[in-house]
Amino acid sequence: RKEVEQDPGPFNVPEGATVAFNCTYSNSASQSFFWYRQDCRKEPKLLMSVYSSGNEDGRFTAQLNRASQYISLLIRDSKLSDSATYLCVVGTNNNDMRFGAGTRLTVKP
Amino acid sequence: ETGVTQTPRHLVMGMTNKKSLKCEQHLGHNAMYWYKQSAKKPLELMFVYSLEERVENNSVPSRFSPECPNSSHLFLHLHTLQPEDSALYLCASSQDWRDGAFFGQGTRLTVV
Repeated sequence: RKEVEQDPGPFNVPEGATVAFNCTYSNSASQSFFWYRQDCRKEPKLLMSVYSSGNEDGRFTAQLNRASQYISLLIRDSKLSDSATYLCVVGTNNNDMRFGAGTRLTVKP
Repeated sequence: ETGVTQTPRHLVMGMTNKKSLKCEQHLGHNAMYWYKQSAKKPLELMFVYSLEERVENNSVPSRFSPECPNSSHLFLHLHTLQPEDSALYLCASSQDWRDGAFFGQGTRLTVV
């Protein structure tokens, strides 16, 4: 079983749509959770941390379910500029951060 | 953004060459990482340094040799690489494992 699993997509959605990404992780000792975004031929950039209580940043909402070892990212009112690959990242307290393979999103006019 | 800087940006090397990748972070972080990103594969964690001590080495072949002389600099020394080592090598730094990591722009390495 992969340490961090994501649906690879691609997700092709129209502008204004709501899209949700899911991620599962295998290490129950994981303590930190993040979503990153990576544009084509660029480095990954931190989008948001994910907390057990859930957190929201504008159009983006992240949720964590520790019991199910599941993380989600919801994007509302999607924009063309949201087109990218979204990476689920899970870390432990010894700075060991593991990445999922990413979910590719294309937002179309 | 210039928080994490990697050089060179592109590198082509032969299988018998020796080269080094350099990473410098200006964020005052105390942990630094090397990741490898190959086409259609997830980022693979190679090495982690925390407070200049190596804390993670994920069964990386010995032809890759990291060096962390201080908390701001990280090197990856390369020798006798194979064509399958061609990839994007990304350096990252973080202050705390709870904060996430910040990446440099990467070195795109081609082994011929």
